[in-house]
Amino acid sequence: TQLLEQSPQFLSIQEGENLTVYCNSSSVFSSLQWYRQEPGEGPVLLVTVVTGGEVKKLKRLTFQFGDARKDSSLHITAAQPGDTGLYLCAGARNYGQNFVFGPGTRLSVLP
Amino acid sequence: KAGVTQTPRYLIKTRGQQVTLSCSPISGHRSVSWYQQTPGQGLQFLFEYFSETQRNKGNFPGRFSGRQFSNSRSEMNVSTLELGDSALYLCASSLAVGGTNEKLFFGSGTQLSVL
Repeated sequence: TQLLEQSPQFLSIQEGENLTVYCNSSSVFSSLQWYRQEPGEGPVLLVTVVTGGEVKKLKRLTFQFGDARKDSSLHITAAQPGDTGLYLCAGARNYGQNFVFGPGTRLSVLP
Repeated sequence: KAGVTQTPRYLIKTRGQQVTLSCSPISGHRSVSWYQQTPGQGLQFLFEYFSETQRNKGNFPGRFSGRQFSNSRSEMNVSTLELGDSALYLCASSLAVGGTNEKLFFGSGTQLSVL
C-alpha cells in the first residue's frame, strides 16, 4: 500500500490545455514536495510546501497544500510540450524522516 | 557547481553476482540518500547517510548495503543479485538531513539489468 497516492496515473493532453494532478494520503505530512522527472534523468525538485493551505506559483505551475496537510495538487496552465514528464510528489512525515514518493503521474503534452 | 554524479550509468549483471554503485554528491552536501525506481513500485527508499552514519533505512533485504566516506561520497552494494533487482538506482544529495525544507538533488541514476 502506497503512503502517497497520485492521480491520474497517465494524462495525455494537447498543447494549450490546462490540467490538474493530485497527490493524496491518509497521513499528515510536515512538508510535501513536487518533482518532475524526464526520461533517462533523475527527478528535479519543483517546489516544497510546508504550511496547510499554502499556495505557490512557479510560472504556469500552481501548487497547493491541503489545509490538513494530507494532500496536494499541481495545476498547469496552458501546458506546453516541455511540460512532458513524470510528476512525483514526495512527503516527509516528521523531522528527520526520509521522503517517501508517490507513484507519479505521467504527463504527455502533444504539440 | 557540479551536480550529483553516479557511476556507472548502465550495468548488466547475471543472477548471483554482486554489484557496487557509486555516488558523488554536490560539493558541500553531507547527506546522501539512495532510491530504487521500478515501473511497478515507483521510487522506493533504500537508505540515507549523513556524515558517514546511516540515519534511515528502508524495507529492503540485507543484500542491499551502503556506506559513506569522509568526503561524503557514497557507495551502495547489492549482493547475490536477483532478477527483481533490475531497476534504476538513484542517488540524491542534500545539505542536511530531515529539515522540512530539505531539498534533494538527484543524479541521473545507474540503470541495472540483471539477466
